[in-house]
Amino acid sequence: GQNIDQPTEMTATEGAIVQINCTYQTSGFNGLFWYQQHAGEAPTFLSYNVLDGLEEKGRFSSFLSRSKGYSYLLLKELQMKDSASYLCAVLTDKLIFGTGTRLQVFP
Amino acid sequence: DSGVTQTPKHLITATGQRVTLRCSPRSGDLSVYWYQQSLDQGLQFLIQYYNGEERAKGNILERFSAQQFPDLHSELNLSSLELGDSALYFCASSVGLAEGSPLHFGNGTRLTVT
Repeated sequence: GQNIDQPTEMTATEGAIVQINCTYQTSGFNGLFWYQQHAGEAPTFLSYNVLDGLEEKGRFSSFLSRSKGYSYLLLKELQMKDSASYLCAVLTDKLIFGTGTRLQVFP
Repeated sequence: DSGVTQTPKHLITATGQRVTLRCSPRSGDLSVYWYQQSLDQGLQFLIQYYNGEERAKGNILERFSAQQFPDLHSELNLSSLELGDSALYFCASSVGLAEGSPLHFGNGTRLTVT
């Protein structure tokens, strides 16, 4: 079966750093995506990892360990607008999404 | 703006009815995907098309069907609607099947079945 696990909710303070973890067990692996979704809106693409290691893109970084079936999304210098759900998705023969982590950023 | 257009934005209908959701992909994208998102749930993959052909299928109910037309737009047909079908339905498109080609999502169609 396919299983993607993320924490349901997280909270953090403006200006801080937060790490959102994702573990997966899937039949096949062709890469891992992170998406951001504000309530009631469309998911928007943040990052893609296919090889082990860290990919940095501005305030956001994503890490992948294929041997451990593990990824994390690191958000630095948090802003109020970063309050959203963050979706981990694994590409097998289709793109399968986890249930998402709802992040609340407080002043 | 992702460039993916979905219509209608909202749809309210009764149980037992049939509806059609429409999606126009980004210019140049050949792949179209349909996802269902119920309240407080993750995105559930329904079906994928590539250049008019079905490529992958998720847990799509038999009451649901889809197709991709020669101009690459896609339609998702939902029939014999039930209360539990109320959800946000997203269409997404990508350049192709190449690894790392991100999906770009439309703004969704919110379906309410009463």
